[in-house]
Amino acid sequence: AQSVAQPEDQVNVAEGNPLTVKCTYSVSGNPYLFWYVQYPNRGLQFLLKYITGDNLVKGSYGFEAEFNKSQTSFHLKKPSALVSDSALYFCAVSHNQGGKLIFGQGTELSVKP
Amino acid sequence: NAGVTQTPKFQVLKTGQSMTLQCAQDMNHNSMYWYRQDPGMGLRLIYYSASEGTTDKGEVPNGYNVSRLNKREFSLRLESAAPSQTSVYFCASAPTPRGSYEQYFGPGTRLTVT
Repeated sequence: AQSVAQPEDQVNVAEGNPLTVKCTYSVSGNPYLFWYVQYPNRGLQFLLKYITGDNLVKGSYGFEAEFNKSQTSFHLKKPSALVSDSALYFCAVSHNQGGKLIFGQGTELSVKP
Repeated sequence: NAGVTQTPKFQVLKTGQSMTLQCAQDMNHNSMYWYRQDPGMGLRLIYYSASEGTTDKGEVPNGYNVSRLNKREFSLRLESAAPSQTSVYFCASAPTPRGSYEQYFGPGTRLTVT
């Protein structure tokens, strides 16, 4: 069975510092991996995805993620955090049958000035 | 383009009441999905429709039914609401059921069952 784990419920970062939000996955076959962001009282917004190819994927708002097959990880990163990056972040893996998404439990990112 | 729209935004039900959550997309997408979001559990798939005319169960289908009314609309029905169905419900759509496509989410419906 496919699964996704986000080991940190909350990540606290000072503005201007680099940030990392961790994600590990368990899938059979080649994974399709996604990051979504949710701002308070809003729906989820797509940030980036890994399908195949380059292990470093760049996405919206300066975010990037590194796919590591040997460690089965897909960590989200940003070189310099902004206060406006504060939100709930979800990692997800997709099932090719029907495109169903399996989500991690979410990580609350808090960026302080 | 409005994207994915959901109605209502908020709803309070008493145990045993029924209601239908509406979802529509204007992106000509083939696939549509219903998820529920509970604290600390991420989003879990309730039902999905890979294409018009088909529906399938997701991870947590008990207590729910769905209708793919046409290509644009996908509704979720609670026949007899229970407090365990208190949650935030999100509808999403994607161009195809292939897993490589990202999904587009609606703003959500916050449902409380008392």
